[in-house]
Amino acid sequence: GQQLNQSPQSMFIQEGEDVSMNCTSSSIFNTWLWYKQEPGEGPVLLIALYKAGELTSNGRLTAQFGITRKDSFLNISASIPSDVGIYFCAGPGNQFYFGTGTSLTVIP
Amino acid sequence: DAGITQSPRHKVTETGTPVTLRCHQTENHRYMYWYRQDPGHGLRLIHYSYGVKDTDKGEVSDGYSVSRSKTEDFLLTLESATSSQTSVYFCAISDWREQYFGPGTRLTVT
Repeated sequence: GQQLNQSPQSMFIQEGEDVSMNCTSSSIFNTWLWYKQEPGEGPVLLIALYKAGELTSNGRLTAQFGITRKDSFLNISASIPSDVGIYFCAGPGNQFYFGTGTSLTVIP
Repeated sequence: DAGITQSPRHKVTETGTPVTLRCHQTENHRYMYWYRQDPGHGLRLIHYSYGVKDTDKGEVSDGYSVSRSKTEDFLLTLESATSSQTSVYFCAISDWREQYFGPGTRLTVT
């Protein structure tokens, strides 16, 4: 099935640093979703975007729906140790398509 | 948190035995899904349902069957478990625009 390309694949950052990741697709999406998954748990929906150009925040997280509708971006400001996990994007089509994931490690 | 529960949360079973995993939602969402998640493969769709008694196959449906007799329950059955079905299984629900996941079931087939 269709897969969304996500980068970077992994990140190792110092506590307090900002994080940026992105997700791209060869197809247009009308909705972009961003999830976080911690070890041993199910993915948790962080942010949903519905409109091209939309910028939405959830605490220290900010996500943007790309103007071309083929990409989306997630930023985390002032990272803390509990931000550790795998972040992935998703978009609904005939089914839901998922990004390959970005593994985030925050070094105290 | 979306009202999704999965049972059991952990199960160890032997090759060749039947296994049923249950997903229960309290959100009254129309769509329900079963995924498996394996290292290096991400989330892969097994089966999904778009209504009571309405189900369809996903990309990795071989060896699995599903049933949905009530809006709130979606069952995944492994008719004869194999070691290749050792995985973490996630149920998800959707109103189509957003999808919410359950806590997962870790299944080990020995």
